Amino acid sequence: DVKVTQSSRYLVKRTGEKVFLECVQDMDHENMFWYRQDPGLGLRLIYFSYDVKMKEKGDIPEGYSVSREKKERFSLILESASTNQTSMYLCASSLDNSYEQYFGPGTRLTVT
Amino acid sequence: AQSVTQLDSQVPVFEEAPVELRCNYSSSVSVYLFWYVQYPNQGLQLLLKYLSGSTLVKGINGFEAEFNKSQTSFHLRKPSVHISDTAEYFCAVSDHNQGGKLIFGQGTELSVKP
Repeated sequence: DVKVTQSSRYLVKRTGEKVFLECVQDMDHENMFWYRQDPGLGLRLIYFSYDVKMKEKGDIPEGYSVSREKKERFSLILESASTNQTSMYLCASSLDNSYEQYFGPGTRLTVT
Repeated sequence: AQSVTQLDSQVPVFEEAPVELRCNYSSSVSVYLFWYVQYPNQGLQLLLKYLSGSTLVKGINGFEAEFNKSQTSFHLRKPSVHISDTAEYFCAVSDHNQGGKLIFGQGTELSVKP
């Protein structure tokens, strides 16, 4: 089975802090994705990556950056956390040319 | 631009009753369609997918969905629900040019009551 893990289930940070969310997949998938999930808005794509050191902006990249130094790991970075970034963050991965995404359990981030 | 609309934000239903969760999409090209389920405090899990072929797709846990190209719909159905089906359900669409990206609907909360 594909396994996607995220470094934390719950995280509480202060406004202005730099925040790192880590995601690791163990199935050698080329594609990796970061979403945020908010009630009534569904999942919105922040950034995605098709290959190591490659990244592309999704629908809501403002305030976020990403890093993919190794194929299995995709990190989401909040350079200076703000209260409007309080949300559930979901990581996913998929094989190249496949549209079936496998999701991690999510990180619920609270910024105070 | 593609979009996905889930027509009901909440669907309450009694145990053993049938249920239909509605999903409509807009796209100018051929699409792939998905339904995902999210149980409380968990990530998303694939229920079923339509890529090509038969328009009636069967998934896990007794769910099925029908692709209707003329109505641009992909409604999810189950003939008899259980308490354990209580979860949030997401419809998603991708097209052949999106390189693996999915567009998700807003989600439907299914609440099964005894």
